[in-house]
Amino acid sequence: DGGITQSPKYLFRKEGQNVTLSCEQNLNHDAMYWYRQDPGQGLRLIYYSQIVNDFQKGDIAEGYSVSREKKESFPLTVTSAQKNPTAFYLCASRARATSGANVLTFGAGSRLTVL
Amino acid sequence: AQSVTQPDIHITVSEGASLELRCNYSYGATPYLFWYVQSPGQGLQLLLKYFSGDTLVQGIKGFEAEFKRSQSSFNLRKPSVHWSDAAEYFCAVAPMEYGNKLVFGAGTILRVKS
Repeated sequence: DGGITQSPKYLFRKEGQNVTLSCEQNLNHDAMYWYRQDPGQGLRLIYYSQIVNDFQKGDIAEGYSVSREKKESFPLTVTSAQKNPTAFYLCASRARATSGANVLTFGAGSRLTVL
Repeated sequence: AQSVTQPDIHITVSEGASLELRCNYSYGATPYLFWYVQSPGQGLQLLLKYFSGDTLVQGIKGFEAEFKRSQSSFNLRKPSVHWSDAAEYFCAVAPMEYGNKLVFGAGTILRVKS
């Protein structure tokens, strides 16, 4: 079955450490997204990528970095510069980036806790 | 900038009762409209979407939503709630001319009393 796989499901990090969250999709979608979810705040866009080797900052990109070297992969690195990284992170993809009519498909999420 | 408002943070209904979750958006033109559902610790699943045409749209799990242009609303309804409907529900909008910036509401947590 096609879908999005996020790993790890749970991750604990000490302050000052970088961590990388994995996102892999086998849907052959062009566009991929990273959202951060905090209680009562909905989903906020961190980064998105419309095509391989290209990505753009979303609304809360500070302290995060991404890469898009392969169509199916869009890893997110939470750096030590992110002041409050404890959150639930969701990866999503869409068939074509330039049409709002495409539906976002989501992974199951990764919960990052900073100790 | 466009925004999405879900006025109710929590809603509790009895099993078998009807449900309406409210969603209002602020945008200059009619956007694409979506409702997603999220079970605890899981990703989001699409319930239904509105692009154009009939303003009453049917979705999965017996949900429906009605688009009202005059009120900039896209409320989600279900005639009879089941205990398995307990989850968090998100309304989202995307502008028609440029679809990348899908904007989500803050979510409504639905609790179902047995």
